[in-house]
Amino acid sequence: ILNVEQSPQSLHVQEGDSTNFTCSFPSSNFYALHWYRWETAKSPEALFVMTLNGDEKKKGRISATLNTKEGYSYLYIKGSQPEDSATYLCAFNRGSTLGRLYFGRGTQLTVWP
Amino acid sequence: DADVTQTPRNRITKTGKRIMLECSQTKGHDRMYWYRQDPGLGLQLIYYSFDVKDINKGEISDGYSVSRQAQAKFSLSLESAIPNQTALYFCATSDSSGGSGDTQYFGPGTRLTVL
Repeated sequence: ILNVEQSPQSLHVQEGDSTNFTCSFPSSNFYALHWYRWETAKSPEALFVMTLNGDEKKKGRISATLNTKEGYSYLYIKGSQPEDSATYLCAFNRGSTLGRLYFGRGTQLTVWP
Repeated sequence: DADVTQTPRNRITKTGKRIMLECSQTKGHDRMYWYRQDPGLGLQLIYYSFDVKDINKGEISDGYSVSRQAQAKFSLSLESAIPNQTALYFCATSDSSGGSGDTQYFGPGTRLTVL
């Protein structure tokens, strides 16, 4: 079983705070790293996919970085808003099992107004 | 219209009953997946299919079976439902043609309760 770890498990912040989460994955046989946003009562939606060491992706106030050599990715949210409240999942895609994603358990973010 | 649909959206059944969950997609993707989600455990892969003639077990396939009736349809069956199969079930699709790093697109989920 391939281990994808996310930390913290949950996070509570005030509106306007910036925050970040970590995803750790095996550094060998890397193909891609995905971030998903999962709102309560909805289905997970793709945020970013990163394939190269050093990749940085940005969408509005949310950005992500990737370090494939050490096996981690960070997701940053600048100036958190209540609508950012969701569970953020990362998923690892291994080169030897293309098509399969191995999901972490997620970081549950709550942004208080 | 949604690209990935699941039916039913909610189902309550009794122990021992046979249940089928259906998934359809209009994205034209060749790969389809079934996951279950339990609180605190994230998404666990049940079965996946890379094309109509390809079926593969995931991490938690015991007690489940699947059928890929067409490229657009992938059904999950619980032959004899048990209470610990109570969970939220998601279908997902992806495109093998590359360019998206195998990004998966999820249906709205089916909430199954086994009494």
